[in-house]
Amino acid sequence: ETGVTQSPTHLIKTRGQQVTLRCSSQSGHNTVSWYQQALGQGPQFIFQYYREEENGRGNFPPRFSGLQFPNYSSELNVNALELDDSALYLCASSPNWVAEAFFGQGTRLTVV
Amino acid sequence: AQSVTQLDSQVPVFEEAPVELRCNYSSSVSVYLFWYVQYPNQGLQLLLKYLSGSTLVKGINGFEAEFNKSQTSFHLRKPSVHISDTAEYFCAVISSGNTPLVFGKGTRLSVIA
Repeated sequence: ETGVTQSPTHLIKTRGQQVTLRCSSQSGHNTVSWYQQALGQGPQFIFQYYREEENGRGNFPPRFSGLQFPNYSSELNVNALELDDSALYLCASSPNWVAEAFFGQGTRLTVV
Repeated sequence: AQSVTQLDSQVPVFEEAPVELRCNYSSSVSVYLFWYVQYPNQGLQLLLKYLSGSTLVKGINGFEAEFNKSQTSFHLRKPSVHISDTAEYFCAVISSGNTPLVFGKGTRLSVIA
């Protein structure tokens, strides 16, 4: 039990639609990161938030956006879904340094 | 940019045999190294990490890893594997500060009875 909860666990969307994935962190975890894990690949960094501000971004287009809220929850939003967006999306939270991060179980997104 | 290479995509091994999963990273500057395990349809669980100090790091489930700066390696080992160790294993690195984790492509460990 990591204390990091993601919802939903699975969902199916149609190409062109928008999706919001949610992550609930432990109290006191000021840093949250999101990763995309395509089938058969390692996780790829999307972006990171610290105290509700984005403070790092990977090589993902602007249609991937996020929010972090004061209650230690966060969201990943993806607009104009493409088939290649099908992946497991992982949320990781930590009190400060990413080296102390705990991962959630992930959300499996399928775009058809 | 930092990168991680996991040299074996799949490693089959018989139960109770030893195993080594190999990991090399690209940078020789200060790094922090991690091994994660992922069971089917699960998130990532931290096995062990090297931040500083002793180069031999012991983790959960009987795994250990050795940091070798001259060879830029961080290989994971277990002297005797169990069926329950069947999973995907990921090596990851942080190069400095609060930069994100950079992962390798993973090694699928299959333990055969």
